[in-house]
Amino acid sequence: GAVVSQHPSRVICKSGTSVKIECRSLDFQATTMFWYRQFPKQSLMLMATSNEGSKATYEQGVEKDKFLINHASLTLSTLTVTSAHPEDSSFYICSARVSGGGTEAFFGQGTRLTVV
Amino acid sequence: GENVEQHPSTLSVQEGDSAVIKCTYSDSASNYFPWYKQELGKRPQLIIDIRSNVGEKKDQRIAVTLNKTAKHFSLHITETQPEDSAVYFCAASIMAGTASKLTFGTGTRLQVTL
Repeated sequence: GAVVSQHPSRVICKSGTSVKIECRSLDFQATTMFWYRQFPKQSLMLMATSNEGSKATYEQGVEKDKFLINHASLTLSTLTVTSAHPEDSSFYICSARVSGGGTEAFFGQGTRLTVV
Repeated sequence: GENVEQHPSTLSVQEGDSAVIKCTYSDSASNYFPWYKQELGKRPQLIIDIRSNVGEKKDQRIAVTLNKTAKHFSLHITETQPEDSAVYFCAASIMAGTASKLTFGTGTRLQVTL
């Protein structure tokens, strides 16, 4: 199947700092990518839909100024958590589908963010 | 928007027994229903999916059934093995290209005991 790579896999940052997470489609182009947040023992909650060359679409209740999304190329989307606080600590996962490649959504390996 | 409910939240079965996980969805327009398996700290992996024009699909020990009228679908795992232990998520989507969003259920933690 298609490969989605996410980096870093783990990051620890201090409160008030910003953290950038990268999501890359390695062997296909992705005009759309999705960013999820998953708290321990909970489900994947969609945060936003990242659209190449245009603004991201955020789900209700997600602060767009706090979670900045940039999708500057067909293979890369980035999520920046700005002014991070301990409550932002979570598992962040991206996903994408292959254009014309069917219905399966492929996920990155996730990023464990810990804000101290 | 779509709402997906999943039961049970935890399920413990003995090796060799069957496991059934059930989901309901709210949006009658949803037409694609995948199931994902997620091991601790890992990415979700698609194990089986079904479209709304099909009532049942099977892949070796795994099967999924869909009842569009009742808006529910189920995952069936037969002859369970310890390596089946993981968290399973159902999801629903209105497929309209690569931008279609998935709405996930709350997950079921399956434990297969020896």
